[in-house]
Amino acid sequence: DTEVTQTPKHLVMGMTNKKSLKCEQHMGHRAMYWYKQKAKKPPELMFVYSYEKLSINESVPSRFSPECPNSSLLNLHLHALQPEDSALYLCASSQDPNSPLHFGNGTRLTVT
Amino acid sequence: QQQVKQSPQSLIVQKGGIPIINCAYENTAFDYFPWYQQFPGKGPALLIAIRPDVSEKKEGRFTISFNKSAKQFSLHIMDSQPGDSATYFCAARAPGFGNEKLTFGTGTRLTIIP
Repeated sequence: DTEVTQTPKHLVMGMTNKKSLKCEQHMGHRAMYWYKQKAKKPPELMFVYSYEKLSINESVPSRFSPECPNSSLLNLHLHALQPEDSALYLCASSQDPNSPLHFGNGTRLTVT
Repeated sequence: QQQVKQSPQSLIVQKGGIPIINCAYENTAFDYFPWYQQFPGKGPALLIAIRPDVSEKKEGRFTISFNKSAKQFSLHIMDSQPGDSATYFCAARAPGFGNEKLTFGTGTRLTIIP
């Protein structure tokens, strides 16, 4: 089992809904990441938190809003998404920004 | 220059065979080359990684071969098993940069048939 836990595993939401994805790790890692993965494609980086501060935002639309309440938790708030935002959203963590990535199993998001 | 080209896109190998997945890069500054394995419905997991000061690294049945002059690296799976069926991604990163600059290959879907 992965040490990065993501909830929910599946989410279906309408374009007017607001929902949140949650990620938790208890490995003491100080860097956490959100990735988006479309079918048969590699993960694409969305956000990086390093020592609980947002350090990278890869030109992601504002309908995605990350939050890092503490060093173990990472949220991704979703609002007014489009059907093309349907994808697997992966959370990852690493001991520091240069150490190997540990991925969660993702949230499969469907926007209707 | 940040691209990592991965081939083949898909590969079918009989059990016990040795699948080989290849990656090529242009940026000679890259100095960290990990491979990730992803099963359906799961997140990617780090399988093995290599730095350019060695030409080969082996972990269990998985071997990375690295050719610095050709700017290529490849993954070999010895005595492949149906449980190795997964998508494999190579990746690369330059020194002085963190995981935010980790460039993934396009992925290879590997199927091992009994």
